[in-house]
Amino acid sequence: GESVGLHLPTLSVQEGDNSIINCAYSNSASDYFIWYKQESGKGPQFIIDIRSNMDKRQGQRVTVLLNKTVKHLSLQIAATQPGDSAVYFCAEIIYNQGGKLIFGQGTELSVKP
Amino acid sequence: ETGVTQTPRHLVMGMTNKKSLKCEQHLGHNAMYWYKQSAKKPLELMFVYNFKEQTENNSVPSRFSPECPNSSHLFLHLHTLQPEDSALYLCASSRGTQDTQYFGPGTRLTVL
Repeated sequence: GESVGLHLPTLSVQEGDNSIINCAYSNSASDYFIWYKQESGKGPQFIIDIRSNMDKRQGQRVTVLLNKTVKHLSLQIAATQPGDSAVYFCAEIIYNQGGKLIFGQGTELSVKP
Repeated sequence: ETGVTQTPRHLVMGMTNKKSLKCEQHLGHNAMYWYKQSAKKPLELMFVYNFKEQTENNSVPSRFSPECPNSSHLFLHLHTLQPEDSALYLCASSRGTQDTQYFGPGTRLTVL
């Protein structure tokens, strides 16, 4: 399953499928990007990050892809599990603008058993 | 656990009450933050402290008053709040202000 970030705030996938959560950013000067996962009743949890000089970074079951040409960031979750159900936020940091973390609206991922 | 704790986890208060939210980080970080998270909205940065000094106040009303006695503790003092202030208040910390931020579990605040 695939989302288009701000324009599709919910994504529903079948357990075991791969999930793709998308995020568009507007500032080409962004230096650093982070994906957070927020489960119901909890604070955002760091998942994976990527710097602007990279195109791809892999973690455990997660991969982040960065396409600077179209200013697009995606989070891929392999073999999605019920425990992956949460809201996923992308965030960006622009170092020469004080380094503030700027959050996107978030995409809610729902995993069907 | 992220190493950032917040108390209380839930708080219900009237508009005339005074209460305080507490945040503590055990990560040895130098920067701490308060965010407000309302339903269906992105996180809103409220305050930033770096080495105990406030470096950012994001046009927050004076009914919210932060305090940072040291790099490990951060408070948010609340008084004469409005119902629209009901939200999840999140604390975060980072090594420096341009580093990854780690969040606490939040305080769910309801103003009656």
